[in-house]
Amino acid sequence: SQQGEEDPQALSIQEGENATMNCSYKTSINNLQWYRQNSGRGLVHLILIRSNEREKHSGRLRVTLDTSKKSSSLLITASRAADTASYFCATLIQGAQKLVFGQGTRLTINP
Amino acid sequence: DTAVSQTPKYLVTQMGNDKSIKCEQNLGHDTMYWYKQDSKKFLKIMFSYNNKELIINETVPNRFSPKSPDKAHLNLHINSLELGDSAVYFCASSQNPTDTQYFGPGTRLTVL
Repeated sequence: SQQGEEDPQALSIQEGENATMNCSYKTSINNLQWYRQNSGRGLVHLILIRSNEREKHSGRLRVTLDTSKKSSSLLITASRAADTASYFCATLIQGAQKLVFGQGTRLTINP
Repeated sequence: DTAVSQTPKYLVTQMGNDKSIKCEQNLGHDTMYWYKQDSKKFLKIMFSYNNKELIINETVPNRFSPKSPDKAHLNLHINSLELGDSAVYFCASSQNPTDTQYFGPGTRLTVL
């Protein structure tokens, strides 16, 4: 089974609302990263949060990390149509040198 | 100025053929990667090179062979293509193996 699993698999909200996506993982990590993928494009890095950090902000993005529950969440506030994309969490497993990606949350922002 | 570029963007070929995908990064990064994204959008690492040395080689058929002529380039050669190889292949780079990764635009491979 996968290291990272995301919830929900798909999310559809109205423009201006907040969107929350969750990621759970199984093993200890060095860091957790969130990426965005627009349809037909490559992934774009959003935020990296280290295992000793609990919360990070970047513009309208807020990421939390709870290592005791092995989970993270990505909050996008005041969503815009341009936020429509798939969002992936990726974990850097402790002792390894590779990112393991979840299957992503497909976010649709309706105008 | 494209940070990570891949060629070709689309590749349609017959089963049994051999093909290559090229990747170049101009970010001065030491680490480069190849990922495969299947039809369900699941992204899985295939290979990683750090300073031209192979550091990750996942369970990938040996028909796939990466080559890193220098730190800025990582090419992927695929022999005897099979239907199941159809996917989008992404190249990425990072300063080191634990850092943020920068992805190329992807190569959509279709094997007929």
